[in-house]
Amino acid sequence: DVKVTQSSRYLVKRTGEKVFLECVQDMDHENMFWYRQDPGLGLRLIYFSYDVKMKEKGDIPEGYSVSREKKERFSLILESASTNQTSMYLCASSTSGTGERTKGYTFGSGTRLTVV
Amino acid sequence: GIQVEQSPPDLILQEGANSTLRCNFSDSVNNLQWFHQNPWGQLINLFYIPSGTKQNGRLSATTVATERYSLLYISSSQTTDSGVYFCAVAGANSKLTFGKGITLSVRP
Repeated sequence: DVKVTQSSRYLVKRTGEKVFLECVQDMDHENMFWYRQDPGLGLRLIYFSYDVKMKEKGDIPEGYSVSREKKERFSLILESASTNQTSMYLCASSTSGTGERTKGYTFGSGTRLTVV
Repeated sequence: GIQVEQSPPDLILQEGANSTLRCNFSDSVNNLQWFHQNPWGQLINLFYIPSGTKQNGRLSATTVATERYSLLYISSSQTTDSGVYFCAVAGANSKLTFGKGITLSVRP
């Protein structure tokens, strides 16, 4: 089975800190995604990547950046953390290959970030 | 972008009951997925179903793309079915947009 691993389950950071959230997938998927989930707002796409060194903005990219230097790893960076970035962050991956079963997204277990 | 509406927002069932969860979307899609988020926050992909009908055990899903809706059926519900069910769709831009989710509570 595809496994998407997020480096931390819980994280507490101070306002103004630079924060790195790491995501690694082990099934050679081309596509990787970062979402944040907030009560009442559902999941919102922050950034995504269709290939190494490629990145595209999602719906709420402000205050975030990403890095994809290797196919299996997609990092989300909060350049200067703020309290309104307190949220659950979810990473997902999918393949661009053919076949119905390959099109579904696989999610990591999430990182609950608190900025104080 | 595509709008996704799920109904009902909340659902309470007695164990063993059946239920139907609905997802309406505002435009043509080439990707539609159903997910279950368990009480620990893990999102599990249930179906990739941009059109047609699929079944997996007690769960089945039907998408009528021409009428822009999808249904998720849960039969003989169990307490482990509790959680939040999300429908997510993507159109030509391939960006998956999630609905707000349906919170299901199955009582023993």
